[in-house]
Amino acid sequence: KNQVEQSPQSLIILEGKNCTLQCNYTVSPFSNLRWYKQDTGRGPVSLTIMTFSENTKSNGRYTATLDADTKQSSLHITASQLSDSASYICVVSENNAGNMLTFGGGTRLMVKP
Amino acid sequence: EAQVTQNPRYLITVTGKKLTVTCSQNMNHEYMSWYRQDPGLGLRQIYYSMNVEVTDKGDVPEGYKVSRKEKRNFPLILESPSPNQTSLYFCASSTPFGANTEAFFGQGTRLTVV
Repeated sequence: KNQVEQSPQSLIILEGKNCTLQCNYTVSPFSNLRWYKQDTGRGPVSLTIMTFSENTKSNGRYTATLDADTKQSSLHITASQLSDSASYICVVSENNAGNMLTFGGGTRLMVKP
Repeated sequence: EAQVTQNPRYLITVTGKKLTVTCSQNMNHEYMSWYRQDPGLGLRQIYYSMNVEVTDKGDVPEGYKVSRKEKRNFPLILESPSPNQTSLYFCASSTPFGANTEAFFGQGTRLTVV
């Protein structure tokens, strides 16, 4: 069964510090991997989308990496801000016609002043 | 502005009383889907639709129905809601998935069944 595991489940950091969130997946055949940011009670919003051939992709202070060989991805947040407090969800899609997405359980990040 | 609109945002209902949560998108996307999000379980797919009149079950379809009569609308129907359907629901739409397509999510519907 396809799975996406994220770690840590929750994380507290001080404003201005960096952090890295991890995502391991077993989805096959792989199409792409997305990181979403979800504020409490709101819909997820896409941060990055990465395909098999991409190793790194940045979106402002967010940098995602992908190692398709080991099936691991990370999301690095630089110089964290209070507004970064949210859940970060790793989503992997299969390369088939069924459009199946497998969601990770998310990492809940809290940035404290 | 490209968006996915769900209604209502909040709903409290009683067991057994039929309800419909509406979802509409203005991006002419073929693919739409419904998810429920519960603490500790992440987002789980209920149903999806790859185009008008084409729907299929996701991971947790029991107790739900959907319809896709028009491209822009994808309502979620609970014929006889039960307390275990208390959850946060999200509708999403996208073009058919490929290398760089993106799913756009609605703002969510928080449903409480008492």
